[in-house]
Amino acid sequence: ETGVTQSPTHLIKTRGQQVTLRCSSQSGHNTVSWYQQALGQGPQFIFQYYREEENGRGNFPPRFSGLQFPNYSSELNVNALELDDSALYLCASSYISLMGNSPLHFGNGTRLTVT
Amino acid sequence: AQTVTQSQPEMSVQEAETVTLSCTYDTSESDYYLFWYKQPPSRQMILVIRQEAYKQQNATENRFSVNFQKAAKSFSLKISDSQLGDAAMYFCAYVGQGAQKLVFGQGTRLTINP
Repeated sequence: ETGVTQSPTHLIKTRGQQVTLRCSSQSGHNTVSWYQQALGQGPQFIFQYYREEENGRGNFPPRFSGLQFPNYSSELNVNALELDDSALYLCASSYISLMGNSPLHFGNGTRLTVT
Repeated sequence: AQTVTQSQPEMSVQEAETVTLSCTYDTSESDYYLFWYKQPPSRQMILVIRQEAYKQQNATENRFSVNFQKAAKSFSLKISDSQLGDAAMYFCAYVGQGAQKLVFGQGTRLTINP
């Protein structure tokens, strides 16, 4: 069983640039969620994708956008980077069915630094 | 909006001893799930234990158990026979029935002293 994998592990960008983070879901999962974890804080929900559609969104501006592909992998795109976007970005996958939702399985995250 | 509060930024315990991490939450929902996640330096969030709100029996996973007090909105984690590998950040988290997002607390850093 393949777990959740994220790439890259570390990234340094300049304020105003754009960034794309990637995530491969755990085998058998159909939902992917993205979280932002600032240093010393708990993760904050960005959004979730199910069947290639956004299925819920946290309190993040539109410059945070995402995609889910037919193989359930996902991308998180952030435009016009700001210094406060520096954080650990966590991807998590789960399985949604009529019987309910499985617990989230997380990847190791991408550490984004904006200078 | 739901909130999760962990009032202990740091805790330490001697190896082989027992430690309890505290968590309180606020919600108006009656059906929900509560979780404890562990985040070691590798950064991956690892599920430790899960509790369904409709179950009165406290969840247990080997050395890990919870004390779920629904009326008090309290959800503490007890780690028995602490091991060096238990050292990590521990996060309490909440999700409503059918909801999409996990709401996390601020975390408790657990140190295990040999």
